[in-house]
Amino acid sequence: EAQVTQNPRYLITVTGKKLTVTCSQNMNHEYMSWYRQDPGLGLRQIYYSMNVEVTDKGDVPEGYKVSRKEKRNFPLILESPSPNQTSLYFCASGDRNRQPQHFGDGTRLSIL
Amino acid sequence: AQKITQTQPGMFVQEKEAVTLDCTYDTSDQSYGLFWYKQPSSGEMIFLIYQGSYDEQNATEGRYSLNFQKARKSANLVISASQLGDSAMYFCAMRGGGSNYKLTFGKGTLLTVNP
Repeated sequence: EAQVTQNPRYLITVTGKKLTVTCSQNMNHEYMSWYRQDPGLGLRQIYYSMNVEVTDKGDVPEGYKVSRKEKRNFPLILESPSPNQTSLYFCASGDRNRQPQHFGDGTRLSIL
Repeated sequence: AQKITQTQPGMFVQEKEAVTLDCTYDTSDQSYGLFWYKQPSSGEMIFLIYQGSYDEQNATEGRYSLNFQKARKSANLVISASQLGDSAMYFCAMRGGGSNYKLTFGKGTLLTVNP
């Protein structure tokens, strides 16, 4: 079954404690991306990756890091989380051409 | 810049009836893709249907169809025979033709299906 898997689904943590949200896809997609969803602001892109070792900033990259060492994985790293990063995060993957972008089930992060 | 407009914050429909959710878009790209996603209260983002800008036929996926009117820049979602499980937030989104395959989302329409 085609899947984008995110972990954890839920996390409550404290300011400054480094965390990583993992994302893995089994569709051999070249393209992967991270979004955050906030009330009133909608979904905004954080980072994207066109292929292994190729990453670039989206609209709201401040406070986040990513890496793409393998095609299937695209972790999102918060080196020093702050309360304004409390949000619902989605990882998405897609083919460069016509195929749609599939989303993971989301990760709810609360940073106290 | 790309923009997606969903003018219906909320919609109500009776079970088994059809409903149309509106979406208009603005882009200067010649090649683009249009998507509809469903987000139930549990939060996941579920892909429903996709239409490419060069596709001549309207996309259909089961009970979902996309009424694509390119000249009007509209991409309305039609759900036939609504079910109670269709109650959710629905987002229209666009992927442009640039090097970043970013999705630009509308603000969403909250659909409630009444028994």
